[in-house]
Amino acid sequence: GAVVSQHPSWVICKSGTSVKIECRSLDFQATTMFWYRQFPKQSLMLMATSNEGSKATYEQGVEKDKFLINHASLTLSTLTVTSAHPEDSSFYICSARDPTGAGNTIYFGEGSWLTVV
Amino acid sequence: AQRVTQPEKLLSVFKGAPVELKCNYSYSGSPELFWYVQYSRQRLQLLLRHISRESIKGFTADLNKGETSFHLKKPFAQEEDSAMYYCARNLIYNQGGKLIFGQGTELSVKP
Repeated sequence: GAVVSQHPSWVICKSGTSVKIECRSLDFQATTMFWYRQFPKQSLMLMATSNEGSKATYEQGVEKDKFLINHASLTLSTLTVTSAHPEDSSFYICSARDPTGAGNTIYFGEGSWLTVV
Repeated sequence: AQRVTQPEKLLSVFKGAPVELKCNYSYSGSPELFWYVQYSRQRLQLLLRHISRESIKGFTADLNKGETSFHLKKPFAQEEDSAMYYCARNLIYNQGGKLIFGQGTELSVKP
């Protein structure tokens, strides 16, 4: 089946630095991808919708200048956490919509653990 | 605001026992509801969607609009069913991907 891959799987960065997480659709073209955030033992929270070739749409309460999203190609969306702080430490998950799949099938990446020290 | 509620954080049953994982949603328009499963150290994957009315791995879920519920059921639980289960609904009808999730229920099936 279709696969969505995230890189890196885990990353540790220092406070004040920026870190980029990639989300790739490996065998289909995804005009739309989604970014979620998950705190330990909590639910996934939708952060933003990433649209290929246009600006991302952010959910209420998500700082767009803090979480920069770029969807420059049909198979790649990136999430950059800028000026990271310890409270940004979380599990970040992306998903991608396969428009050719039945009912706009959604595939999830394996997630990326971010720890800010 | 649209919400999905899973009242149980943890559900522990013995192998062979029936299982019901509860999910309620706030009513708004035509809901599209899903159950996702996350096995240990694996990615989230789709288990069921209400429009398909299918049975996957012995699990079924029926949309009850009157009770605004979409409970997940299995008559005889297996140890390999142990996982995190998330109920979710689509925010945009017939346009998959923009999901809101419930808090998740950890199912533990004991031998």
